[in-house]
Amino acid sequence: AQSVTQPDIHITVSEGASLELRCNYSYGATPYLFWYVQSPGQGLQLLLKYFSGDTLVQGIKGFEAEFKRSQSSFNLRKPSVHWSDAAEYFCAVGGRGSGGYQKVTFGTGTKLQVIP
Amino acid sequence: KAGVTQTPRYLIKTRGQQVTLSCSPISGHRSVSWYQQTPGQGLQFLFEYFSETQRNKGNFPGRFSGRQFSNSRSEMNVSTLELGDSALYLCASSVVTSGETQYFGPGTRLLVL
Repeated sequence: AQSVTQPDIHITVSEGASLELRCNYSYGATPYLFWYVQSPGQGLQLLLKYFSGDTLVQGIKGFEAEFKRSQSSFNLRKPSVHWSDAAEYFCAVGGRGSGGYQKVTFGTGTKLQVIP
Repeated sequence: KAGVTQTPRYLIKTRGQQVTLSCSPISGHRSVSWYQQTPGQGLQFLFEYFSETQRNKGNFPGRFSGRQFSNSRSEMNVSTLELGDSALYLCASSVVTSGETQYFGPGTRLLVL
């Protein structure tokens, strides 16, 4: 069964500082990997995804993530955080579920606080 | 293209009642998935529908059910509501499968009193 671990429940960074959110996954084959962001009271918005190819993936809002197979990780990074980046971030892994169909499993999320 | 829409956005019910939530996917998307989000449990998968058939199901009691119509619109129903059903219910659509990119609606906030 596939699973996702986001070890940091809460992270606080200063505006303008760099950011790295950690994500580790468990899946037997090459997974599909996603990062989503959720602002308070809103649905989830896709930031970026990895299906195959280049392991460094660029997303929206200046985010990027790197797939490292040897470490089973897909960490999200941003070189300079803006106050509007304060939100909850979810890592997700897509793979084949027990019914044989694709399914996606979400991590528990990391809440990002940005201080001036 | 219009995004995923969910109605209603907010709902207050009492224990024992039932509720029906609606989701309209992005045009051309045939897969619709439902999630329950709570502060304690995070984002939990309820079920996925494709071409009017339930394709995947999460670990929820039979009180939670859903269906999908021929136009891909989906509804989920919760019968005999319990206090613990208070949550944000999110619907997501994708072209073919939930394992691909999903597009989420704003959610329905359900409060059970």
